[in-house]
Amino acid sequence: EAGVVQSPRYKIIEKKQPVAFWCNPISGHNTLYWYLQNLGQGPELLIRYENEEAVDDSQLPKDRFSAERLKGVDSTLKIQPAELGDSAVYLCASSPTTGGTGELFFGEGSRLTVL
Amino acid sequence: AQSVTQLDSQVPVFEEAPVELRCNYSSSVSVYLFWYVQYPNQGLQLLLKYLSGSTLVKGINGFEAEFNKSQTSFHLRKPSVHISDTAEYFCAVSPSGFQKLVFGTGTRLLVSP
Repeated sequence: EAGVVQSPRYKIIEKKQPVAFWCNPISGHNTLYWYLQNLGQGPELLIRYENEEAVDDSQLPKDRFSAERLKGVDSTLKIQPAELGDSAVYLCASSPTTGGTGELFFGEGSRLTVL
Repeated sequence: AQSVTQLDSQVPVFEEAPVELRCNYSSSVSVYLFWYVQYPNQGLQLLLKYLSGSTLVKGINGFEAEFNKSQTSFHLRKPSVHISDTAEYFCAVSPSGFQKLVFGTGTRLLVSP
């Protein structure tokens, strides 16, 4: 079974440029998460989807960040424009359960460097 | 709201020695508890989880953790570590019945020969 796939793995951009990250969750997982992981820190939730609905986006900086999950499968996280402080790893995770709890399956992450 | 405290940012240990990584949490509701491991340049992988029942939970790679409700702790232990256990370990908490993991800041386990 294929795991959570993220791309690109690494991205280097100049500040003020846009950037997008893509995530394909495990087949059949209806819950999808985007986490932000700063260097030396634990992951912090940006947004959680149940199918195509964003059910928790309270931590998403909506002035520059946006996300979508059309058709409730893969998802894209966009930053426009990027700032120096956005340099971090963006992790995508998925889970087969809704409402209850269970294991989150993480992708390898997309490491962003903003110069 | 829930929060997690991992008191040790780094734990150095020799190979074949025992190790304990500490985790304390705070919550006003009952919670589920997790330990995840992150190897360099990889995503997080579940080591073990506590949902209910026995307070001693066994996970992969010989790790175990004990849920202590009175001390609000969920410390991770391994009786004998290997070089390959060198990684970052994250404790996480989720409100029971609600899928929202809150992670600690992580503990880097450094195993040397």
